[in-house]
Amino acid sequence: NAGVTQTPKFRVLKTGQSMTLLCAQDMNHEYMYWYRQDPGMGLRLIHYSVGEGTTAKGEVPDGYNVSRLKKQNFLLGLESAAPSQTSVYFCASRWTMNTGELFFGEGSRLTVL
Amino acid sequence: KQEVTQIPAALSVPEGENLVLNCSFTDSAIYNLQWFRQDPGKGLTSLLLIQSSQREQTSGRLNASLDKSSGRSTLYIAASQPGDSATYLCAVVDSGGSNYKLTFGKGTLLTVNP
Repeated sequence: NAGVTQTPKFRVLKTGQSMTLLCAQDMNHEYMYWYRQDPGMGLRLIHYSVGEGTTAKGEVPDGYNVSRLKKQNFLLGLESAAPSQTSVYFCASRWTMNTGELFFGEGSRLTVL
Repeated sequence: KQEVTQIPAALSVPEGENLVLNCSFTDSAIYNLQWFRQDPGKGLTSLLLIQSSQREQTSGRLNASLDKSSGRSTLYIAASQPGDSATYLCAVVDSGGSNYKLTFGKGTLLTVNP
């Protein structure tokens, strides 16, 4: 049982380049989330999804897009990367029930030069 | 808006000591509270989940309590070990309109010295 898997784990981009982070979960969870974690800022919610085909904005959505075409996958895209998007990105998922436990992936470290 | 605070931001203790980490939240209307552990360069690992109807949860040397009325939770670690060194975060799920989302504290960095 892999849980929540993120790819890639590391990536270096130049300003203006685009990329996509993939999150896959094998627990049949409805809710999925993308967070970024920066020193001193804690975890900040970028986007989330409450089911296949749905997405919603979190606290810091600017510069990012997401898609949830399949229930098990949640993609985070950067159309034109900026140095301010240098961060560690975490995907998480949980069941529909509001009482559900949240599970995290191992993280993706992105550096934008 | 829900706010979650964890004090202290950092804690250093000698091996073998029992310790308590604190988590406070401003809105008591929650579904649950979850404690996580994060090792350097790693993701968050769930430690304990306490539902709003529960007062405490235990797992091994860990015991988490929840007092909704006062907006507080504590994570008790018994007989601490160097391997317990990590950042500990708490998060709550609100029972109000934003119940899809969790609100996280910024964590307590725990160092257990041999």
